[in-house]
Amino acid sequence: SYVLTQPPSVSVAPGKTARVTCGGNNIGSKGVHWYQQKPGQAPMLVIYYDSDRPSGIPERFSGSNSGNTATLTISRVEAGDEADYYCQVWDNNSAHYVFGTGTKVTVL
Amino acid sequence: EVQLVQSGAEVKKPGESLKISCKGSGYSFSSYWIGWIRQMPGKGLEWMGIIYPGDSDTTYNPSFQGHVTISADKSISTAYLQWSSLKASDTAMYYCARRDRVFFEYWGQGTLVTVSS
Repeated sequence: SYVLTQPPSVSVAPGKTARVTCGGNNIGSKGVHWYQQKPGQAPMLVIYYDSDRPSGIPERFSGSNSGNTATLTISRVEAGDEADYYCQVWDNNSAHYVFGTGTKVTVL
Repeated sequence: EVQLVQSGAEVKKPGESLKISCKGSGYSFSSYWIGWIRQMPGKGLEWMGIIYPGDSDTTYNPSFQGHVTISADKSISTAYLQWSSLKASDTAMYYCARRDRVFFEYWGQGTLVTVSS
């Protein structure tokens, strides 16, 4: 089955840029979607199809995808961005939905 | 406004059965796939399965097939996740989410299931 690997944690100072990676075999050929989950809340979609933002998501959130790595970038990080972030793809070989292992973003 | 409202928290004993629900509103419930996602305490998200309420076409993650049943009643815009015999390892938060193309745009608030003797 398809596996998505994320770093367990990323720390960033306020106002700086956080980058969360999502590794998978030839992930660049797939659409990658990102979710933010704050403590005690349901996940929320922040990026779909690599780099598109749902309405209401700040432009500070952006994404890219190439080769074996997709990246969620959070610019000008704020305290409110502290959360767990998960990548997700649809594996067309198995017709299954796969989530990454998750990354905790800590704002210092 | 699209909303998915899930049933409340449950406390059950091992071996008991359970059915939790997810009611959609603000859109054509029959026309969008509904997925179920498990989150064990302190852990990540796991896709369990997905159903199309229009015709109840269902796909399961092999890791969950045979242990849970996903169903839907389009007449009342509600999807279900059920167990016939719970285990302690089923203790988790369960989310339903509406699929848009191949991602999950709208999520329910979650149902916490606790299985303990």
